[in-house]
Amino acid sequence: DQQVKQNSPSLSVQEGRISILNCDYTNSMFDYFLWYKKYPAEGPTFLISISSIKDKNEDGRFTVFLNKSAKHLSLHIVPSQPGDSAVYFCAASADSWGKLQFGAGTQVVVTP
Amino acid sequence: DAGVTQSPTHLIKTRGQQVTLRCSPKSGHDTVSWYQQALGQGPQFIFQYYEEEERQRGNFPDRFSGHQFPNYSSELNVNALLLGDSALYLCASSLTPGRAPYEQYFGPGTRLTVT
Repeated sequence: DQQVKQNSPSLSVQEGRISILNCDYTNSMFDYFLWYKKYPAEGPTFLISISSIKDKNEDGRFTVFLNKSAKHLSLHIVPSQPGDSAVYFCAASADSWGKLQFGAGTQVVVTP
Repeated sequence: DAGVTQSPTHLIKTRGQQVTLRCSPKSGHDTVSWYQQALGQGPQFIFQYYEEEERQRGNFPDRFSGHQFPNYSSELNVNALLLGDSALYLCASSLTPGRAPYEQYFGPGTRLTVT
């Protein structure tokens, strides 16, 4: 049962433009959400997180938006840079023990 | 500050064999979780160790077992390997459960190939 879904397997964006990655979830018990970036042959790298008590969290070029009523979150990257080319995973947790459930990932390619 | 380390990097085993993977958590972290990532999929939670005990377990058979040592490092053991066990095995460490922030930090993974 896939409780976290990333419906876009890939995204291509021009350098300097905005990248928007989307994630949907079905479990209303999720209360903490995270985004990870993964390069080939490396483990996922933590990017940014958001608690369910907030609807927005910003860290430099990365902003995560949470819409609880729609069970939807998104990651905005502005401006996109070539080094942002990677697979991005959305993850969610339903308890403070931190068991994470991941989406299938979105491959982002930033072109010059 | 050393991050999460895992060994070995790659491993090739034959169906039916047993394998042990190792993980050292990030400095200051005492909780270790293991994930399996099949090709083209997101990581799937296997189990989590805290205070040398398995605290949570995902939907994996008993062939998957683990251990945590007093220095917080951890091992993942898989018995009776199947071809379907071929995957990237990721270790993640975090702070004491219930203590913010809740982010988990991942190691580079061990690529297991079962032939």
